[in-house]
Amino acid sequence: AQKITQTQPGMFVQEKEAVTLDCTYDTSDQSYGLFWYKQPSSGEMIFLIYQGSYDEQNATEGRYSLNFQKARKSANLVISASQLGDSAMYFCAMRETISNFGNEKLTFGTGTRLTIIP
Amino acid sequence: DGGITQSPKYLFRKEGQNVTLSCEQNLNHDAMYWYRQDPGQGLRLIYYSQIVNDFQKGDIAEGYSVSREKKESFPLTVTSAQKNPTAFYLCASSITSGTGANVLTFGAGSRLTVL
Repeated sequence: AQKITQTQPGMFVQEKEAVTLDCTYDTSDQSYGLFWYKQPSSGEMIFLIYQGSYDEQNATEGRYSLNFQKARKSANLVISASQLGDSAMYFCAMRETISNFGNEKLTFGTGTRLTIIP
Repeated sequence: DGGITQSPKYLFRKEGQNVTLSCEQNLNHDAMYWYRQDPGQGLRLIYYSQIVNDFQKGDIAEGYSVSREKKESFPLTVTSAQKNPTAFYLCASSITSGTGANVLTFGAGSRLTVL
């Protein structure tokens, strides 16, 4: 079974500094995908960034980048120049195929609560 | 704008009562999911559906039931058999692609509290 581990329950970061949120995963699949979602206090899950297991370059989306180290099975999220609006829960998730039709589910980690300090 | 609408946002229930959480999407997505979120834990899959009139159990389906009579709708019923139903429930949908970044789009969630 797939497993996602986020070892940082909470982090406090000064505004405008960069922050790295850790994520390690365990899977026997050769093809997989890794996602990061942001959950503000409102509760809605917001997709941030995706990395496929065969992607040769690390994914980037604006201020978000994913530090993908396949051999170490880690997929850390890096947020550059943090802003107050970045304060939220952050979840790492892994794609798992669950049907012959290619339908997928996401297995989630327990999350990291990020607080940006002015 | 396309999206997923969940209702109600907050719901209170007495023990022994069934309640139904609504989930509607206008994204024309084939697949729909229900996740449960408890404090300090990640999301856990309750049920999923990839086509109309078909659905499958997820990791924690006991005490829950669903239906998929329309592509746009995937309601979740929390039955009295669910021993610890107080939680935050999230509905999601996706295009069934089987490859690449099959991103799940989530609704705003429904918070159920059993009194």
